[in-house]
Amino acid sequence: NAGVTQTPKFQVLKTGQSMTLQCAQDMNHEYMSWYRQDPGMGLRLIHYSVGAGITDQGEVPNGYNVSRSTTEDFPLRLLSAAPSQTSVYFCASSYGWETQYFGPGTRLLVL
Amino acid sequence: AQTVTQSQPEMSVQEAETVTLSCTYDTSENNYYLFWYKQPPSRQMILVIRQEAYKQQNATENRFSVNFQKAAKSFSLKISDSQLGDTAMYFCAFILIQGAQKLVFGQGTRLTINP
Repeated sequence: NAGVTQTPKFQVLKTGQSMTLQCAQDMNHEYMSWYRQDPGMGLRLIHYSVGAGITDQGEVPNGYNVSRSTTEDFPLRLLSAAPSQTSVYFCASSYGWETQYFGPGTRLLVL
Repeated sequence: AQTVTQSQPEMSVQEAETVTLSCTYDTSENNYYLFWYKQPPSRQMILVIRQEAYKQQNATENRFSVNFQKAAKSFSLKISDSQLGDTAMYFCAFILIQGAQKLVFGQGTRLTINP
C-alpha cells in the first residue's frame, strides 16, 4: 500500500493563478479531508468528504473547492490563489472517526 | 464548537528523561476520540497514541502513555526514557464519534530532546 499520496510536494503560484492539489489513497477509506498548517498553528480543516459524491465544509473553506468522484481521489482546487493561501497542505483519510492517516504534505507559496 | 488547547508552546529535556505534554479540550459531547500526533522536521504527521473517551483505562504505546481525565477534560502525553528521535512538534487532536467528523487540533508543542 502506498497509503496517502499528495502531489506536488512544492508549488509556487502567482496571485490570481489557479491550481489543483492532488490527493489519492489506496486503503479504500471512506473519509478524506484537507487541512492547512500555518506557522505557530495546528492543522485546520478546509473541506472533507465522507464518501464518493459527498463533500462538506470545514473550518476554513473560503477560496477552496473540492469534489469526490471516486473513493480514491480527493483533489483540492484553488480557484484564484491569494498570498493568504501560502501554507502547507495535508490530505488525510480514515474509516470515519477512527485514526486519520496523513499524506506527506504540499508546500504552497503564493507570490 | 469543540476546542483543543496546548498551553506549552515549547519544551526541552535531556535524553533519557521523562517529559509530559499537556492538553485540554472543551466539548459538551460524551463520545469522542483523542489523539496525539507527532510531526518531525520531515513534516509527516505520525500517530503516536489514541484514546477512546468511553474507556477509563489510559492508553499506552511502548514509551508513550496518556493521562486521560474525562471530567477535567484533560489529555496529557507522557514520554518515558526520551530519545533524540522524539524531537518533534506534538499535536493533540479531538474528534466526535457522531455528527460531523471533523478532527480538531491544538496549536502544538515543540519538544526538543537534548543529548
